[in-house]
Amino acid sequence: ETGVTQTPRHLVMGMTNKKSLKCEQHLGHNAMYWYKQSAKKPLELMFVYNFKEQTENNSVPSRFSPECPNSSHLFLHLHTLQPEDSALYLCASSQDLDRGPESSGNTIYFGEGSWLTVV
Amino acid sequence: SQQGEEDPQALSIQEGENATMNCSYKTSINNLQWYRQNSGRGLVHLILIRSNEREKHSGRLRVTLDTSKKSSSLLITASRAADTASYFCATAGGGNKLTFGTGTQLKVEL
Repeated sequence: ETGVTQTPRHLVMGMTNKKSLKCEQHLGHNAMYWYKQSAKKPLELMFVYNFKEQTENNSVPSRFSPECPNSSHLFLHLHTLQPEDSALYLCASSQDLDRGPESSGNTIYFGEGSWLTVV
Repeated sequence: SQQGEEDPQALSIQEGENATMNCSYKTSINNLQWYRQNSGRGLVHLILIRSNEREKHSGRLRVTLDTSKKSSSLLITASRAADTASYFCATAGGGNKLTFGTGTQLKVEL
């Protein structure tokens, strides 16, 4: 267990559905991330939150909407997705973004991921 | 843009042998990290090496970093079947933003 819990682990949704992925971390971290992992592609950073504030949106389509109500919880709201959005979505956390990159606080802890299939 | 790139893409060895994976990157870094991912699971942090370090050990893992060549290697000694997984390098430039490569799939056979 890494201290980062994602639900659901598997999700199948139609292109017109609205669903959400949930992430919770029990590590006392202040930075949280959403990554997308597709087959044969590098891990793609989608969103970054630091102390509940969004610090990065890596040109993600608006059909993906993140929400960070507090430092421990992160959601990814999904709406009118496309089949090519099918992938493993990974949530992660780290101590915060304000530490120097030489710090071990730079280490990122991942959840087990949510497998999303869009049909 | 993609930063770390692992080589080889796939590696198959016998249990007890050593496994070496390489990572090349393109721009200046503050540190480089290696992660492991079992099939369909999340990534697990293995080791972090800072830009002013050349070698680091952790158990059966040995990581080297050559900033002049912009490359790193991960050596797993005396491999076990349980080491079968994908291994990713990730580079950190400014802040905590990590950029991952496509990974090396390691298979350790009995």
